[in-house]
Amino acid sequence: KNEVEQSPQNLTAQEGEFITINCSYSVGISALHWLQQHPGGGIVSLFMLSSGKKKHGRLIATINIQEKHSSLHITASHPRDSAVYICAVRERGGADGLTFGKGTHLIIQP
Amino acid sequence: EAGVAQSPRYKIIEKRQSVAFWCNPISGHATLYWYQQILGQGPKLLIQFQNNGVVDDSQLPKDRFSAERLKGVDSTLKIQPAKLEDSAVYLCASSLRAAGATTEAFFGQGTRLTVV
Repeated sequence: KNEVEQSPQNLTAQEGEFITINCSYSVGISALHWLQQHPGGGIVSLFMLSSGKKKHGRLIATINIQEKHSSLHITASHPRDSAVYICAVRERGGADGLTFGKGTHLIIQP
Repeated sequence: EAGVAQSPRYKIIEKRQSVAFWCNPISGHATLYWYQQILGQGPKLLIQFQNNGVVDDSQLPKDRFSAERLKGVDSTLKIQPAKLEDSAVYLCASSLRAAGATTEAFFGQGTRLTVV
């Protein structure tokens, strides 16, 4: 069973700062997801990655398959980016339910 | 495109009572998932359906939890009887899931259950 570890657990930063959230996993995967969850809200999928790098607006996600590691970056952070960011993986060859990390609670202060 | 719909959004029940949650996935999505998210933790898969068949229910506490997906569309998740530790957000997700392909999962808003 995959172990998904995220760091940091909590992050408070000032508006405009460059943010990095890390995710590592223990077993080979077919895909990795970065998800955003606002308080009281559902989960929104930000990225699905199996290799390389993806960019959407101010968000960038990278994955290194050999090192079993992924990062989510936020450039020019804004208070509306405040949310919990969750890394989730789908194991290679297994049933495709996701295994989730515990999430990173991000607060961007104005 | 309509998203994954869940109801109710909130539910408060006493322990030993029964409760049911409903999920309507995105039209055409064959795969449906129910996740349990306890406060401060990441979601945990309870059950996965492919059309109306169960693919994975290894983490479903079958003594009290049940789920069905009749006709391969809507799904209901039931807890009977509820315990205090069942307090959590119950998330439904769906994906297109072609055979052998990895597709993106879309999540509903969740149902927040409080057992008192």
